[in-house]
Amino acid sequence: EPEVTQTPSHQVTQMGQEVILRCVPISNHLYFYWYRQILGQKVEFLVSFYNNEISEKSEIFDDQFSVERPDGSNFTLKIRSTKLEDSAMYFCASSEGTGVTGELFFGEGSRLTVL
Amino acid sequence: AQSVTQLGSHVSVSEGALVLLRCNYSSSVPPYLFWYVQYPNQGLQLLLKYTSAATLVKGINGFEAEFKKSETSFHLTKPSAHMSDAAEYFCAVTSKAAGNKLTFGGGTRVLVKP
Repeated sequence: EPEVTQTPSHQVTQMGQEVILRCVPISNHLYFYWYRQILGQKVEFLVSFYNNEISEKSEIFDDQFSVERPDGSNFTLKIRSTKLEDSAMYFCASSEGTGVTGELFFGEGSRLTVL
Repeated sequence: AQSVTQLGSHVSVSEGALVLLRCNYSSSVPPYLFWYVQYPNQGLQLLLKYTSAATLVKGINGFEAEFKKSETSFHLTKPSAHMSDAAEYFCAVTSKAAGNKLTFGGGTRVLVKP
């Protein structure tokens, strides 16, 4: 069964360092997303990406965040200068379409710990 | 704006007993509603979804949910709990206008007692 894969599963970094979280979406999917879950809090939408550009982003997704699809398979989330409050589980998701057909398939998550 | 409230952050049920997880939503437009399950150290897996067809939706692993517009609810049930149902369950809402931007509830962690 096709699945979304994420690497690394866990990353520990120092405050101020750059972090790149990687995702391989399901191959025929066209829509890509990042969500995050701070420990004990709700899963929150960060950004959606379609046709090589951001289609929507949340207030959380400020200038320190960026996404790109550098090749035909990977979808990355970059945090330029990490803060303590960026510590969270980051979920990548992909979907074939939107709306009724837009079931999101989630990866297992990348846990980021900022010290 | 859309929102989801899940009543009860933790639910404990005995094996074989009814599982009932409550979800209430707020949406100014017709909603699409979802239940996801997260097993330990795994990602979010779709259990079932409501997308304006039948109000009683059947999902995987024996779960079902009923959309009640008058009560703005989408409660998840399973007649008989199994040990393997121990997990965290998330209700989420979106709409045609919102595309696939899901708004999640806070989650309910289910403990199944033998």
